[in-house]
Amino acid sequence: QKEVEQNSGPLSVPEGAIASLNCTYSDRGSQSFFWYRQYSGKSPELIMSIYSNGDKEDGRFTAQLNKASQYVSLLIRDSQPSDSATYLCAGKGGSGNTGKLIFGQGTTLQVKP
Amino acid sequence: GAVVSQHPSRVICKSGTSVKIECRSLDFQATTMFWYRQFPKQSLMLMATSNEGSKATYEQGVEKDKFLINHASLTLSTLTVTSAHPEDSSFYICSTGGGHTDTQYFGPGTRLTVL
Repeated sequence: QKEVEQNSGPLSVPEGAIASLNCTYSDRGSQSFFWYRQYSGKSPELIMSIYSNGDKEDGRFTAQLNKASQYVSLLIRDSQPSDSATYLCAGKGGSGNTGKLIFGQGTTLQVKP
Repeated sequence: GAVVSQHPSRVICKSGTSVKIECRSLDFQATTMFWYRQFPKQSLMLMATSNEGSKATYEQGVEKDKFLINHASLTLSTLTVTSAHPEDSSFYICSTGGGHTDTQYFGPGTRLTVL
């Protein structure tokens, strides 16, 4: 069983719609979660981090964490074609607390004009 | 967030040669850096954790004698791919983080092509 799982997609949404990206994790000891965006041929860039249950908003992005369900999500409001990328979910602070990030396989988002 | 640079951004080399990739933390003293490799259409694979002033910790299946890591200062870690072969062609990315800094910030990556 993978420690962090994402649907690889592609997830296709029309411009202006809300894109919902989901992630589940298996290690209940994980404390920190991160969403990274990766454009083709580029390295990942941090979008948001979340540590507590509930929602965290930053501009058009909202991260949601539910530790009881071991579920993390990222909502992108008013999706733009420039949001088309692969979104990586990562967890940290689980068993052994090594400081390593555990990445999901990423979800490809396509925003169609 | 932290600013991380990598050099070179792209390198093409012949099979059997060694290639050194530098990762610099420009505005943050990084006691820990991480090295990842990414093959096309795959997710990031952690290769090793680089610790300033001590030996790197390699992930299972990563050959420490082939991928030499040196973290001699708080701002510089290097990855040397020794005796490179075509199957080593990949996108190599470093990140800073660990310790009291919870978030990892990635460098721009180095694309290695071994002919």
